[in-house]
Amino acid sequence: DTAVSQTPKYLVTQMGNDKSIKCEQNLGHDTMYWYKQDSKKFLKIMFSYNNKELIINETVPNRFSPKSPDKAHLNLHINSLELGDSAVYFCASSQKDSFFTNYGYTFGSGTRLTVV
Amino acid sequence: AQSVTQLGSHVSVSEGALVLLRCNYSSSVPPYLFWYVQYPNQGLQLLLKYTTGATLVKGINGFEAEFKKSETSFHLTKPSAHMSDAAEYFCAVSLTGANNLFFGTGTRLTVIP
Repeated sequence: DTAVSQTPKYLVTQMGNDKSIKCEQNLGHDTMYWYKQDSKKFLKIMFSYNNKELIINETVPNRFSPKSPDKAHLNLHINSLELGDSAVYFCASSQKDSFFTNYGYTFGSGTRLTVV
Repeated sequence: AQSVTQLGSHVSVSEGALVLLRCNYSSSVPPYLFWYVQYPNQGLQLLLKYTTGATLVKGINGFEAEFKKSETSFHLTKPSAHMSDAAEYFCAVSLTGANNLFFGTGTRLTVIP
Protein backbone atom coordinates (compact mmCIF):
# COMPACT_ATOMS: atom_id res chain seq x y z
CA ASP A 1 0.00 0.00 0.00
CA THR A 2 1.15 3.55 -0.68
CA ALA A 3 1.63 5.30 2.62
CA VAL A 4 3.85 6.93 5.15
CA SER A 5 5.01 4.28 7.57
CA GLN A 6 6.90 4.87 10.77
CA THR A 7 8.33 2.50 13.31
CA PRO A 8 8.04 1.73 16.10
CA LYS A 9 4.45 2.57 16.99
CA TYR A 10 5.23 2.60 20.70
CA LEU A 11 8.55 3.26 22.39
CA VAL A 12 9.11 3.14 26.13
CA THR A 13 12.60 3.92 27.34
CA GLN A 14 14.53 5.21 30.30
CA MET A 15 15.93 8.69 30.73
CA GLY A 16 19.37 9.10 29.27
CA ASN A 17 18.95 6.49 26.56
CA ASP A 18 19.38 7.10 22.83
CA LYS A 19 16.61 6.01 20.48
CA SER A 20 15.64 6.28 16.83
CA ILE A 21 12.34 6.45 14.99
CA LYS A 22 12.24 5.47 11.35
CA CYS A 23 10.00 6.83 8.61
CA GLU A 24 9.51 5.79 5.01
CA GLN A 25 7.17 7.04 2.30
CA ASN A 26 6.47 5.44 -1.05
CA LEU A 27 4.33 8.25 -2.40
CA GLY A 28 7.12 9.78 -4.45
CA HIS A 29 6.96 12.98 -2.42
CA ASP A 30 9.97 15.26 -2.30
CA THR A 31 9.42 16.72 1.16
CA MET A 32 9.30 14.95 4.49
CA TYR A 33 8.66 16.23 8.00
CA TRP A 34 8.74 15.41 11.67
CA TYR A 35 5.99 16.84 13.85
CA LYS A 36 5.67 16.59 17.62
CA GLN A 37 2.28 16.33 19.32
CA ASP A 38 2.38 17.20 22.98
CA SER A 39 0.09 16.07 25.78
CA LYS A 40 -2.38 18.84 24.92
CA LYS A 41 -2.60 17.56 21.34
CA PHE A 42 -0.78 20.57 19.93
CA LEU A 43 1.09 19.75 16.71
CA LYS A 44 4.29 21.56 15.93
CA ILE A 45 6.83 21.05 13.19
CA MET A 46 10.32 20.00 14.17
CA PHE A 47 12.13 19.39 10.90
CA SER A 48 11.52 19.40 7.19
CA TYR A 49 13.65 17.85 4.46
CA ASN A 50 13.34 18.40 0.74
CA ASN A 51 15.18 15.91 -1.44
CA LYS A 52 17.47 14.98 1.46
CA GLU A 53 18.22 18.63 2.23
CA LEU A 54 17.26 20.16 5.57
CA ILE A 55 14.97 23.13 4.97
CA ILE A 56 13.28 23.64 8.32
CA ASN A 57 14.91 23.23 11.68
CA GLU A 58 12.70 24.71 14.35
CA THR A 59 13.82 25.43 17.86
CA VAL A 60 14.47 21.88 18.88
CA PRO A 61 17.17 20.68 21.30
CA ASN A 62 20.23 19.49 19.43
CA ARG A 63 19.70 16.11 21.08
CA PHE A 64 17.27 15.60 18.19
CA SER A 65 18.99 14.85 14.91
CA PRO A 66 17.17 14.00 11.70
CA LYS A 67 18.78 11.89 9.02
CA SER A 68 17.60 11.53 5.45
CA PRO A 69 19.53 8.88 3.52
CA ASP A 70 17.29 9.39 0.48
CA LYS A 71 14.14 11.30 -0.30
CA ALA A 72 11.92 8.38 0.71
CA HIS A 73 13.33 8.12 4.23
CA LEU A 74 13.57 10.49 7.16
CA ASN A 75 14.69 9.10 10.49
CA LEU A 76 14.76 10.84 13.84
CA HIS A 77 17.48 10.09 16.34
CA ILE A 78 17.20 11.34 19.90
CA ASN A 79 20.13 11.37 22.30
CA SER A 80 20.01 11.51 26.09
CA LEU A 81 16.26 11.23 26.33
CA GLU A 82 14.49 13.37 28.92
CA LEU A 83 11.08 13.08 30.55
CA GLY A 84 9.87 16.09 28.58
CA ASP A 85 10.51 14.30 25.31
CA SER A 86 7.50 12.10 25.97
CA ALA A 87 5.05 12.83 23.16
CA VAL A 88 3.68 11.45 19.94
CA TYR A 89 5.95 12.00 16.97
CA PHE A 90 4.46 12.09 13.50
CA CYS A 91 6.27 11.71 10.23
CA ALA A 92 4.68 13.25 7.14
CA SER A 93 5.41 13.84 3.49
CA SER A 94 4.06 16.24 0.91
CA GLN A 95 4.16 17.20 -2.71
CA LYS A 96 4.27 20.60 -4.33
CA ASP A 97 1.91 21.95 -6.92
CA SER A 98 2.74 24.28 -9.78
CA PHE A 99 2.78 27.18 -7.33
CA PHE A 100 5.48 25.42 -5.31
CA THR A 101 3.03 25.13 -2.48
CA ASN A 102 2.92 22.00 -0.40
CA TYR A 103 -0.51 20.51 -0.25
CA GLY A 104 -0.47 16.72 -0.57
CA TYR A 105 0.35 16.11 3.08
CA THR A 106 0.17 12.53 4.26
CA PHE A 107 0.90 11.57 7.84
CA GLY A 108 2.20 8.40 9.38
CA SER A 109 0.31 6.78 12.23
CA GLY A 110 2.63 8.20 14.88
CA THR A 111 5.14 6.94 17.41
CA ARG A 112 4.17 7.29 21.04
CA LEU A 113 7.37 7.88 22.98
CA THR A 114 7.28 7.48 26.73
CA VAL A 115 10.37 8.32 28.73
CA VAL A 116 10.42 6.94 32.27
CA ALA B 1 2.92 35.65 9.51
CA GLN B 2 0.28 33.00 9.37
CA SER B 3 -1.82 31.37 12.05
CA VAL B 4 -4.88 29.27 12.55
CA THR B 5 -7.41 29.72 15.32
CA GLN B 6 -9.94 27.07 16.21
CA LEU B 7 -12.74 28.42 18.35
CA GLY B 8 -13.78 25.98 21.01
CA SER B 9 -11.43 23.32 22.27
CA HIS B 10 -14.44 21.08 23.00
CA VAL B 11 -17.69 20.80 21.10
CA SER B 12 -20.55 18.49 22.08
CA VAL B 13 -23.46 17.66 19.81
CA SER B 14 -26.28 15.18 19.96
CA GLU B 15 -26.34 12.30 17.53
CA GLY B 16 -28.13 13.47 14.39
CA ALA B 17 -27.48 17.14 15.06
CA LEU B 18 -25.49 19.56 12.94
CA VAL B 19 -21.75 19.58 13.47
CA LEU B 20 -20.03 22.97 13.17
CA LEU B 21 -16.33 23.31 13.96
CA ARG B 22 -14.88 26.77 13.52
CA CYS B 23 -11.57 27.73 11.99
CA ASN B 24 -10.22 31.16 11.20
CA TYR B 25 -6.90 31.83 9.60
CA SER B 26 -4.53 34.72 9.29
CA SER B 27 -2.46 34.98 6.16
CA SER B 28 -0.93 37.66 3.96
CA VAL B 29 -1.13 35.46 0.88
CA PRO B 30 -3.79 33.08 -0.44
CA PRO B 31 -3.73 30.04 1.80
CA TYR B 32 -4.25 26.37 1.27
CA LEU B 33 -6.50 25.07 4.03
CA PHE B 34 -7.00 21.62 5.48
CA TRP B 35 -9.04 19.73 8.01
CA TYR B 36 -7.60 16.63 9.60
CA VAL B 37 -9.25 14.19 11.99
CA GLN B 38 -7.49 12.20 14.67
CA TYR B 39 -9.33 9.29 16.24
CA PRO B 40 -8.19 8.16 19.69
CA ASN B 41 -4.68 6.74 19.64
CA GLN B 42 -4.47 7.02 15.88
CA GLY B 43 -2.71 9.19 13.32
CA LEU B 44 -3.95 12.14 11.32
CA GLN B 45 -6.35 11.53 8.48
CA LEU B 46 -7.14 14.15 5.86
CA LEU B 47 -10.82 15.05 5.78
CA LEU B 48 -10.70 17.68 3.06
CA LYS B 49 -8.61 20.47 1.62
CA TYR B 50 -9.02 23.75 -0.19
CA THR B 51 -6.34 24.84 -2.64
CA THR B 52 -7.91 26.82 -5.46
CA GLY B 53 -11.20 26.84 -7.33
CA ALA B 54 -14.57 26.03 -5.78
CA THR B 55 -14.80 27.43 -2.29
CA LEU B 56 -17.16 24.73 -1.00
CA VAL B 57 -15.14 21.62 -0.49
CA LYS B 58 -16.58 18.19 0.16
CA GLY B 59 -14.59 15.63 2.06
CA ILE B 60 -14.89 12.15 3.43
CA ASN B 61 -17.49 10.90 5.89
CA GLY B 62 -20.03 13.54 4.86
CA PHE B 63 -17.99 16.54 6.00
CA GLU B 64 -17.66 19.73 4.04
CA ALA B 65 -16.08 23.14 4.53
CA GLU B 66 -16.42 26.51 2.87
CA PHE B 67 -13.55 28.88 2.27
CA LYS B 68 -14.75 32.44 2.94
CA LYS B 69 -12.03 34.90 2.13
CA SER B 70 -14.01 37.91 3.41
CA GLU B 71 -14.36 36.24 6.80
CA THR B 72 -10.96 34.49 6.73
CA SER B 73 -12.78 31.35 7.74
CA PHE B 74 -12.84 27.68 6.82
CA HIS B 75 -15.48 26.16 9.08
CA LEU B 76 -16.15 22.43 8.99
CA THR B 77 -19.71 21.15 8.92
CA LYS B 78 -21.67 17.93 8.76
CA PRO B 79 -25.47 17.89 8.63
CA SER B 80 -25.97 14.93 10.96
CA ALA B 81 -23.50 13.73 13.56
CA HIS B 82 -22.76 10.05 14.05
CA MET B 83 -21.25 8.47 17.11
CA SER B 84 -18.27 7.50 14.99
CA ASP B 85 -17.48 11.20 14.40
CA ALA B 86 -16.20 11.58 17.95
CA ALA B 87 -12.56 12.56 17.54
CA GLU B 88 -10.10 15.45 17.59
CA TYR B 89 -10.30 17.77 14.59
CA PHE B 90 -7.45 19.98 13.40
CA CYS B 91 -7.56 22.88 11.01
CA ALA B 92 -4.28 23.68 9.25
CA VAL B 93 -2.90 26.18 6.76
CA SER B 94 -0.13 26.01 4.20
CA LEU B 95 1.09 29.04 2.31
CA THR B 96 2.49 29.62 -1.14
CA GLY B 97 6.15 28.80 -1.06
CA ALA B 98 6.03 27.67 2.55
CA ASN B 99 7.37 24.34 3.54
CA ASN B 100 5.10 23.13 6.28
CA LEU B 101 1.63 23.04 7.74
CA PHE B 102 0.61 25.26 10.62
CA PHE B 103 -1.97 23.61 12.83
CA GLY B 104 -4.67 24.99 15.03
CA THR B 105 -4.90 23.76 18.59
CA GLY B 106 -7.61 21.24 17.76
CA THR B 107 -11.26 20.77 18.69
CA ARG B 108 -12.46 17.68 20.45
CA LEU B 109 -15.87 16.62 19.18
CA THR B 110 -18.09 14.61 21.49
CA VAL B 111 -21.28 13.04 20.14
CA ILE B 112 -23.98 12.41 22.70
CA PRO B 113 -26.32 9.47 22.09
